[in-house]
Amino acid sequence: AQSVTQLGSHVSVSEGALVLLRCNYSSSVPPYLFWYVQYPNQGLQLLLKYTSAATLVKGINGFEAEFKKSETSFHLTKPSAHMSDAAEYFCAVSSGGGADGLTFGKGTHLIIQP
Amino acid sequence: DSGVTQTPKHLITATGQRVTLRCSPRSGDLSVYWYQQSLDQGLQFLIHYYNGEERAKGNILERFSAQQFPDLHSELNLSSLELGDSALYFCASSLSPFSGNEQFFGPGTRLTVL
Repeated sequence: AQSVTQLGSHVSVSEGALVLLRCNYSSSVPPYLFWYVQYPNQGLQLLLKYTSAATLVKGINGFEAEFKKSETSFHLTKPSAHMSDAAEYFCAVSSGGGADGLTFGKGTHLIIQP
Repeated sequence: DSGVTQTPKHLITATGQRVTLRCSPRSGDLSVYWYQQSLDQGLQFLIHYYNGEERAKGNILERFSAQQFPDLHSELNLSSLELGDSALYFCASSLSPFSGNEQFFGPGTRLTVL
């Protein structure tokens, strides 16, 4: 079985400040990990993914995430927040062959203060 | 634009009714996944079809069923609808069931059951 925990249903940061969204996973086999973003009334868009090639993964829009096996974490960061980053962010895990679909965390709503 | 299309965008119906949601995957993608997004349950995997065959079931109710046609489009059928079925339904497509493949999400169908 696999699961994802996202700490903090809402995170508020000032424009220009560091963004840190936390994700911890549980998986009985080596996982593939994803961060998706959802803007209001839209579908999910992939920000980045970890597929064991490198522990530090760079994604779109200046986001990056680091896979830490010892901590079972895959936290998402961005050095400087922009107003356009305000959205819902989902961490997801996939393992065991891929047939079972993604298991998502409950999401973190990122609020950017001007 | 992910290349995944879903119709209709909105659907309003009454309890006890039956509806069909349609999804066309990205060109070349053989896998189609269906997900339900609701406030209380979050994003949940429902079912996965690969090249016309069912590959995996998630938290899909017995009142729900799906199929994938030879042209690879997929339909999700929801019957005997209840108020609690009101949700956003997403489909996603990927090249194959490999765990590390990105899933591309459609814009979703918002179902409201009155």
